Parts: sequence; structure tokens; C-alpha cells
Amino acid sequence: DAGITQSPRHKVTETGTPVTLRCHQTENHRYMYWYRQDPGHGLRLIHYSYGVKDTDKGEVSDGYSVSRSKTEDFLLTLESATSSQTSVYFCAISESGGSSYEQYFGPGTRLTVT
Amino acid sequence: GDSVTQMEGPVTLSEEAFLTINCTYTATGYPSLFWYVQYPGEGLQLLLKATKADDKGSNKGFEATYRKETTSFHLEKGSVQVSDSAVYFCALEGTGRRALTFGSGTRLQVQP
Repeated sequence: DAGITQSPRHKVTETGTPVTLRCHQTENHRYMYWYRQDPGHGLRLIHYSYGVKDTDKGEVSDGYSVSRSKTEDFLLTLESATSSQTSVYFCAISESGGSSYEQYFGPGTRLTVT
Repeated sequence: GDSVTQMEGPVTLSEEAFLTINCTYTATGYPSLFWYVQYPGEGLQLLLKATKADDKGSNKGFEATYRKETTSFHLEKGSVQVSDSAVYFCALEGTGRRALTFGSGTRLQVQP
């Protein structure tokens, strides 16, 4: 199994509070991704990173920010959580971009915003 | 933009039945196509992929053929097992992109 951990695995928070989710990898892969999974929508890309300090937006980036100061860590921050951000969040990593490189997924973080 | 459409689930089959899960896509250029599987409580795992037209991806008895003329990538297995019960996601990586676009997923339930 690819060395990907996510923390926390479960979190309940209140509307308006800031939340940070962490993805940590031990594979030294260049690309890291944050997706959210919602019923009826599959997985949707929030942000991704193609190197330290290099990030780009995905299709559902509003209300989220990311940071990557080290190769192994990719943080997802909800500045002011809303109920619409209740979801399961998955981190993924890839050695490089392109279809030749498989994306490996972490175990997910279940976030509930009340 | 790119999109992937999968058949609605759940799909319920008896063990040893034939499985087809339909997937069609919309994308410009020549995307790469994937099937991922998610077992209960776990993250997604790559099941198979195809990177150009007429390619057939296969793994663990599952197969899918990249059909550009019908923009489809249907997943098939000749004889399903209870252990195949999971959610299956079709996905594509568009030309020039470095991230995946997923379908909504299809839950498969296999009964003994």
C-alpha cells in the first residue's frame, strides 16, 4: 500500500469555524490532490499540487485553500466551514502527472459541519 | 468541460452472474480512461485503465475497452463474486490535465 495518511479521520465542527485537514505521504511523490466525495457526485477535485509551493484549483475550490511547504505534506483548509462542506475528503498522490502514473488514495476524512 | 456518466445503482447480482457497468464520457481530445473501485470504509484503488482508442484494460477478471466512436468505457466481468461488492467509479484524465474527472459511482452488491 502507498504510504498515505490523513488526519483527522473523523471531525465534527460547527459552522463558521476554521478546519484544517492534513495529508501526509512517505512516497516522495510530486503530485498531491484533494477530492471531496458526495452522494450522486462521485469525487470532485478541490485543489492539487505539482510541487512544493505549487498549487492549482480544481472544479470545486470555492471556500477552500491549500498549502504545501514540504513534499510530504498537503494541507486543506476550510477558512469558515459551512454545512455544504460536510463531505468525505480524500487525498491522493501521484509520482508525476499524466495517465502513465497511477493516483493512490488515502483512507479519507469524514467531516461533518453542524 | 469534461464529464463522465455512469449507470445508476445499486446493481444487485447473484454470485457467478455476468456484470456490465456502463460508462460514457465527454471530453475534448484523447483522454485516458480509468476504473477505480472503493471497498467499504476504504479509499479508491485503481482497477484498470486504457490510454488510447481500442485499448483494453484488464485486471482481476474485469475488462473494459476504450471505444472512441461511442465515447464509452463499459466495465465487464464474466462471473462476479461476493468479494466484488463495492462501489465502482469510471474516470477520465483529459488532454493536458493532471487530475481526474469521476463519474458518480455505481454500487455493486453480489449475493451468495
